[in-house]
Amino acid sequence: SAVISQKPSRDICQRGTSLTIQCQVDSQVTMMFWYRQQPGQSLTLIATANQGSEATYESGFVIDKFPISRPNLTFSTLTVSNMSPEDSSIYLCSVELLLGDSYEQYFGPGTRLTVT
Amino acid sequence: AQSVTQPDIHITVSEGASLELRCNYSYGATPYLFWYVQSPGQGLQLLLKYFSGDTLVQGIKGFEAEFKRSQSSFNLRKPSVHWSDAAEYFCAVGERMGGSEKLVFGKGTKLTVNP
Repeated sequence: SAVISQKPSRDICQRGTSLTIQCQVDSQVTMMFWYRQQPGQSLTLIATANQGSEATYESGFVIDKFPISRPNLTFSTLTVSNMSPEDSSIYLCSVELLLGDSYEQYFGPGTRLTVT
Repeated sequence: AQSVTQPDIHITVSEGASLELRCNYSYGATPYLFWYVQSPGQGLQLLLKYFSGDTLVQGIKGFEAEFKRSQSSFNLRKPSVHWSDAAEYFCAVGERMGGSEKLVFGKGTKLTVNP
């Protein structure tokens, strides 16, 4: 398995500002992912972040709104830019571990963001 | 596109009773299927997964799930529920695309356990 930490664990931000969320994993991984979990909803993939290449965004998510960095194999950041109340969500990072012919994704504890 | 349906938004069971959480998926190829649990204020913990082989898979915390291709289902079961099992449970289907994996989650089932 993998141990994943996120900072901050929660934050309250004003609309129009930006917040950068950090994700740190205890081992080197190729694949990292960022998800959003809106209140009372399921998880939706925002983007896949691979080291050494630009992030790949899912439909409905754009780089200008959610810029992602992946400077090395153990760290990534997600920025939520020009925030509005609709961005209030839990943001989770995850990593993929290959296990023989299968794989598993492990999740961080999440960052609970409230935009006022 | 793949999708996951969890028909039950909320289930309440008594401690010691058996549990079955339903999950149906829509996916054209052989699916990779997962169950995760999210306790209040926590991240997601992987309970079990199905990739191939035996259609009955065992997971952590006494959970098991059965893959039924004919019914496009991957239901989660536990013979005797403990109060600590109260949480939200998510079923997910994974699709391998271009060397990376995409997980598509169902909307989740919230489990309440009565003493």
